Amino acid sequence: EDQVTQSPEALRLQEGESSSLNCSYTVSGLRGLFWYRQDPGKGPEFLFTLYSAGEEKEKERLKATLTKKESFLHITAPKPEDSATYLCAVQATSGTYKYIFGTGTRLKVLA
Amino acid sequence: DAGVTQSPTHLIKTRGQQVTLRCSPISGHKSVSWYQQVLGQGPQFIFQYYEKEERGRGNFPDRFSARQFPNYSSELNVNALLLGDSALYLCASSFVVKQDTEAFFGQGTRLTVV
Repeated sequence: EDQVTQSPEALRLQEGESSSLNCSYTVSGLRGLFWYRQDPGKGPEFLFTLYSAGEEKEKERLKATLTKKESFLHITAPKPEDSATYLCAVQATSGTYKYIFGTGTRLKVLA
Repeated sequence: DAGVTQSPTHLIKTRGQQVTLRCSPISGHKSVSWYQQVLGQGPQFIFQYYEKEERGRGNFPDRFSARQFPNYSSELNVNALLLGDSALYLCASSFVVKQDTEAFFGQGTRLTVV
């Protein structure tokens, strides 16, 4: 069964303290891996798409990387406004183009 | 440019009632998907539509149904509401249905069943 696991469930960082979020996946075949940011009570906001192992993408303080079994979202020198839930999703080659989401990592950055 | 718009933003219904949620995709986008997000969980896939045809259905009971209109907007209907249907319902739109197309989400409809 296709599955996505994110860790840690929650993370508290001091402003400027860099860290990484993990997304492990098990799929029959990977079409794509997606990272989203979600603020409380809002819809997910698209961040990155990764398609193949070794691929990396960057946006401001965020950098996403992909291996054959997992993806990392690296946050460099985070600010309080980076506080949110970060969701990872995969599209599998079997079946529809649906997204299979993990449960997310709740990030809190303290000033 | 307007993003994905959903209505209503909040809704309170009684057990056994029926509800209709609406979604307008980004202009030019032809695919709409629906997801259910229970508090503290990731979104779960319900339906995907492309060019007014159903392209995928998640593991939800037949009480859930949807359709897409010629203008690519979509409705999600839920009959015989249960307390467990309380959730944030998200609509996502994409230009087409294929690998290298990102999905963009609306703000969601918060449904509370009492």
